[in-house]
Amino acid sequence: DQQVKQNSPSLSVQEGRISILNCDYTNSMFDYFLWYKKYPAEGPTFLISISSIKDKNEDGRFTVFLNKSAKHLSLHIVPSQPGDSAVYFCAASDSGTYKYIFGTGTRLKVLA
Amino acid sequence: DAGVTQSPTHLIKTRGQQVTLRCSPKSGHDTVSWYQQALGQGPQFIFQYYEEEERQRGNFPDRFSGHQFPNYSSELNVNALLLGDSALYLCASSPMTGGGTEAFFGQGTRLTVV
Repeated sequence: DQQVKQNSPSLSVQEGRISILNCDYTNSMFDYFLWYKKYPAEGPTFLISISSIKDKNEDGRFTVFLNKSAKHLSLHIVPSQPGDSAVYFCAASDSGTYKYIFGTGTRLKVLA
Repeated sequence: DAGVTQSPTHLIKTRGQQVTLRCSPKSGHDTVSWYQQALGQGPQFIFQYYEEEERQRGNFPDRFSGHQFPNYSSELNVNALLLGDSALYLCASSPMTGGGTEAFFGQGTRLTVV
């Protein structure tokens, strides 16, 4: 049972435009959500997180939105840059456990 | 400040053999988790170590075992390797044991079982 789903395996966006990456989850116990970026031959790099007590968190060009009723979160990148081209993973955890559940990733390609 | 370091970066083993992967956590972190990432998938939680004990385990067989040392570094051991164990093995460290904090990942060890 896939508790965290990223239904878009890939996304292409023009440089300077907005990139929107989506993630859905099924477990209502999840209360902490994270986005990681992964380049080939490197480990995942933490981007941004959000607690379930919030519905938005911003960090520079990156904003994460959480819709608890829909069990949906999204990552917005504005403006997108070619260096943002990578695989993006959504992850979730609940404070009662110690593990992250990851989605399968979305490959973002930002076209110059 | 060195981040999370893993060794080796690549490894080729024969089916049935045993393998040990190593991880040094980020400075100041006392908790180490291991993940397996198969091709085209997201990382899957294997287990987490804190205070030299396994705190939680994912859905992996007993062939997967680990250890944490007093300096917080950790090892992942896999016995009786199967072809399906071929994957990227990621170590992640964090300063807390519970949820609500981000983990920092190493670059991973690419294990190929032939």
